[in-house]
Amino acid sequence: EIVLTQSPGTLSLSPGESATLSCRASQSVSSSYLAWYQQKPGQAPRLLIYGASSRATGIPDRFSGSGSGTDFTLTISRLEPEDFAVYCCQQYGISPFTFGPGTKVDIK
Amino acid sequence: QLQLQESGPGLVKPSETLSLTCTVSGGSITSSPYYWGWIRQPPGKGLEWIGIIYYSGSTYYNPSLKSRVTISLDTSKNQFSLKLSSVTAADTALYYCARYGGGYFDLWGRGTLVTVSS
Repeated sequence: EIVLTQSPGTLSLSPGESATLSCRASQSVSSSYLAWYQQKPGQAPRLLIYGASSRATGIPDRFSGSGSGTDFTLTISRLEPEDFAVYCCQQYGISPFTFGPGTKVDIK
Repeated sequence: QLQLQESGPGLVKPSETLSLTCTVSGGSITSSPYYWGWIRQPPGKGLEWIGIIYYSGSTYYNPSLKSRVTISLDTSKNQFSLKLSSVTAADTALYYCARYGGGYFDLWGRGTLVTVSS
């Protein structure tokens, strides 16, 4: 199965700053079948990005995804207070679909 | 607005069967082209895909859990269910149900914590 590694484990930033999160796959993810999710305690996880770079419905344009092959990036420009959360990636190119361990973005 | 809600016992004894139900409101589980799935997250760990089901009854399971998992649906109640047999402490996790389409999960429930302990 494809193993996803995310870095950094924790990112401490201030509101208004930009965040760059990395997701690396143990083998190439076909057709950029990679998604990003936001997780907050007690809330349903939220789909942010699919197909590596397509924003899901209702997701603000400060969230952007890029990458291909084995290296993918989620960028959050101008962090808003509600953006402090855990972000995880998921590949759906090869079954079983797998998730990364997550990157926590917390307030500096 | 489509919503999903997990329900079921929060405590299961080792070797017994974990049973959870996901109730879908605001839409039908027979809506093509969507599947419906289960994902779990052990404490302090990442998410793990368990399996998905289509309204026709077709299922796909994570090979690591396949021998113990059954996902079924009840279209009359607009629900789908998870059964995981022979549970151990390693099955303690936050269990989510979600809508699946195109490979990713676009709508999720809030999750329900299941603890395996005697």
